[in-house]
Amino acid sequence: SQKIEQNSEALNIQEGKTATLTCNYTNYSPAYLQWYRQDPGRGPVFLLLIRENEKEKRKERLKVTFDTTLKQSLFHITASQPADSATYLCAQGSSGGSYIPTFGRGTSLIVHP
Amino acid sequence: ETGVTQSPTHLIKTRGQQVTLRCSSQSGHNTVSWYQQALGQGPQFIFQYYREEENGRGNFPPRFSGLQFPNYSSELNVNALELDDSALYLCASSPALNTGELFFGEGSRLTVL
Repeated sequence: SQKIEQNSEALNIQEGKTATLTCNYTNYSPAYLQWYRQDPGRGPVFLLLIRENEKEKRKERLKVTFDTTLKQSLFHITASQPADSATYLCAQGSSGGSYIPTFGRGTSLIVHP
Repeated sequence: ETGVTQSPTHLIKTRGQQVTLRCSSQSGHNTVSWYQQALGQGPQFIFQYYREEENGRGNFPPRFSGLQFPNYSSELNVNALELDDSALYLCASSPALNTGELFFGEGSRLTVL
């Protein structure tokens, strides 16, 4: 079955450093991967989408990569700020009949001032 | 442009009761998806509606049912509530099928006692 995995342990970093979050998938090849930000008690907010034929996407301080060999996506936040503290969700969509995103459990990022 | 709105924001029910959650999609969006998010977990796909027809369903029992109206708003109904149904219920809209990106509402927090 399709499975998407994110590190359940929180990531703690100092302000100004680059945060790197990992998303791994097994048993399939997603057509795309997405990253969302979720604050406590709020709905997720879309950040970036990367397709299987793309290696890297950037948006302001955000960068996402897609490595089909490693079956992995990395999400980077450069020059991190305390306001970046949130849970970051990875989602995949497969071309096998449905592009409906399925989500990982998310990784909590805590940026310390 | 009005975003996705959900109601009610919070509600408490007892086991065996029934609940209806409502969602107004973002203007111009014809696709609505519903997700259940338990505490500490990622959103789990319940079902999706496209132009008033169910377009896909996740691994949820038939007591979870839905509806989409001609104006593309949607309802999620849950019958015979169980304690494990306690969760944040998220509605997301998108401008068309297979676009990937989801626009989420803030969710309805359901507590079953």
